Amino acid sequence: GAVVSQHPSWVICKSGTSVKIECRSLDFQATTMFWYRQFPKQSLMLMATSNEGSKATYEQGVEKDKFLINHASLTLSTLTVTSAHPEDSSFYICSAVDLAFAYEQYFGPGTRLTVT
Amino acid sequence: GEDVEQSLFLSVREGDSSVINCTYTDSSSTYLYWYKQEPGAGLQLLTYIFSNMDMKQDQRLTVLLNKKDKHLSLRIADTQTGDSAIYFCAVLLSGGYNKLIFGAGTRLAVHP
Repeated sequence: GAVVSQHPSWVICKSGTSVKIECRSLDFQATTMFWYRQFPKQSLMLMATSNEGSKATYEQGVEKDKFLINHASLTLSTLTVTSAHPEDSSFYICSAVDLAFAYEQYFGPGTRLTVT
Repeated sequence: GEDVEQSLFLSVREGDSSVINCTYTDSSSTYLYWYKQEPGAGLQLLTYIFSNMDMKQDQRLTVLLNKKDKHLSLRIADTQTGDSAIYFCAVLLSGGYNKLIFGAGTRLAVHP
């Protein structure tokens, strides 16, 4: 149990285009999902907290107009990188908090985004 | 704000025990976690400990918590080559936000 999936697992896009990444909790419900960014050989940087049915809460320094988050249901959150630039290239990881076990947070396998 | 620190690298021989250490600053943290990340993959929740516990054991994994010193450790018994990965210590921020603060990660290399 406690599986979180992400789609796509990797994506290459051109500068100026937008990319949507999906995060799904497959076998549990999650009112809260988180989006992280990870640079090579570095730790995870929290970008935003996504709550089902409400607006996302962004961390300081993260542009909310550039990284659009939608948490449409208890099992799906999406991150859209708008007008992507090469500096947006990174590994994006989502996590989900199990509604039944609020202190267990499970991570997706990550999405590698390359912007050319 | 909360700060979590880990040593960056640990090398052990196959069959030996590995001990990965972590220190944190927020004394009111309620849950502390260990995650494992293999190359190109997401994070796998290994185990977690509640702050009113001193120790938790789960098969080859032993977590020790010294709340006074704000020190957390993960011991892996009989380390195998499949244990080679990056291990992240994470602390749940107090205040009910479910936010985790991560350490920089310890790269564990297991050699024959």
